[in-house]
Amino acid sequence: QKEVEQDPGPLSVPEGAIVSLNCTYSNSAFQYFMWYRQYSRKGPELLMYTYSSGNKEDGRFTAQVDKSSKYISLFIRDSQPSDSATYLCAMSSNTGKLIFGQGTTLQVKP
Amino acid sequence: KAGVTQTPRYLIKTRGQQVTLSCSPISGHRSVSWYQQTPGQGLQFLFEYFSETQRNKGNFPGRFSGRQFSNSRSEMNVSTLELGDSALYLCASSTSILAKNIQYFGAGTRLSVL
Repeated sequence: QKEVEQDPGPLSVPEGAIVSLNCTYSNSAFQYFMWYRQYSRKGPELLMYTYSSGNKEDGRFTAQVDKSSKYISLFIRDSQPSDSATYLCAMSSNTGKLIFGQGTTLQVKP
Repeated sequence: KAGVTQTPRYLIKTRGQQVTLSCSPISGHRSVSWYQQTPGQGLQFLFEYFSETQRNKGNFPGRFSGRQFSNSRSEMNVSTLELGDSALYLCASSTSILAKNIQYFGAGTRLSVL
């Protein structure tokens, strides 16, 4: 079993839809949780960063962490075609080593 | 401020050869991590360097090695290439090795082994 599980999709939604992306994990030592976005032929770019449990909002993006359930989510409101990309969850403990999910491919259709 | 720079962007090698990839971190960043990304395995951690010392290592064979120079630039080397080494190799930099520090990625080097 992988330390971090993420549904690879692909996920296809119409423009304007609310998108929900999720990851589960098994290592209770994880404290830092991140979402990266990766466009084709590019490196991952950081979207959201959360420490421990709770919610964080940035524009159309909301990240949620539920440590009791070992479950994290990323919500995208009013999705746009430019949001079409692969979304990677990542997390780390005190070692600093990032463990990534498999990535979910999202397509937002105009 | 310039981002993380990786060179070359694309490489084609044959089995048995060796390859060296280069990474220049963001100015002021002293930690450099390397990752391998493949469609089947996703992003996997190779190793991390801080102040010219390897601080963390992933589960890769000894054919994969790296080093960091005094200016924080880093190189990774893969010897005796195998077909399965074909992947996107990503470098990320951060200000330190503390877990809370965010890692910034370069565009990667796409290696094809024929």
